[in-house]
Amino acid sequence: AQSVTQLDSQVPVFEEAPVELRCNYSSSVSVYLFWYVQYPNQGLQLLLKYLSGSTLVKGINGFEAEFNKSQTSFHLRKPSVHISDTAEYFCAVIGTGGFKTIFGAGTRLFVKA
Amino acid sequence: NAGVMQNPRHLVRRRGQEARLRCSPMKGHSHVYWYRQLPEEGLKFMVYLQKENIIDESGMPKERFSAEFPKEGPSILRIQQVVRGDSAAYFCASSPTGTTVMSEYFGPGTRLTVT
Repeated sequence: AQSVTQLDSQVPVFEEAPVELRCNYSSSVSVYLFWYVQYPNQGLQLLLKYLSGSTLVKGINGFEAEFNKSQTSFHLRKPSVHISDTAEYFCAVIGTGGFKTIFGAGTRLFVKA
Repeated sequence: NAGVMQNPRHLVRRRGQEARLRCSPMKGHSHVYWYRQLPEEGLKFMVYLQKENIIDESGMPKERFSAEFPKEGPSILRIQQVVRGDSAAYFCASSPTGTTVMSEYFGPGTRLTVT
């Protein structure tokens, strides 16, 4: 079984500042890792995913994440945020060979002018 | 190529009524997954279906909830005798096979409000 912990429920940040949203997971098997963004009253949009290979993954909207197996982490970063990045961000995992996506509770990113 | 479609997008039901939520997978996808998002929480797996088969329903409440994915037509999540605690956003996802890289194909969700 897998679990996901998003360490911050809310992250306020000023526009153009860098941001890191933290995600830790636990699993007894290898996993695939994902970050999603959800704008108010909308569905999920995939930002990026790690399946294998390079541990630094680049996604859409200037986001990137680094898979750290020893730390069991998959933190999401952006060097300079915009007001439009204000949204809820979910980290998720699937065990290889499984089909259930396990989601974290979400981190609300609030970008201030 | 249309993505995963869900309807209705918003549904209001009174306590005791039935709610039917529909999910049309992407073209060529024969696997459907339903998730529920309660207010202020992440998504929780409910059920995994293939055409005419329920593969895993370990996340479904034991009573009042059922799901189907017929040979023709959309997948249906049915909630009988709704209660206020059923108010949530319900998302479905689809995949062409039972692979684990399906997570990019989520629908926009149905927001159910029980009054």
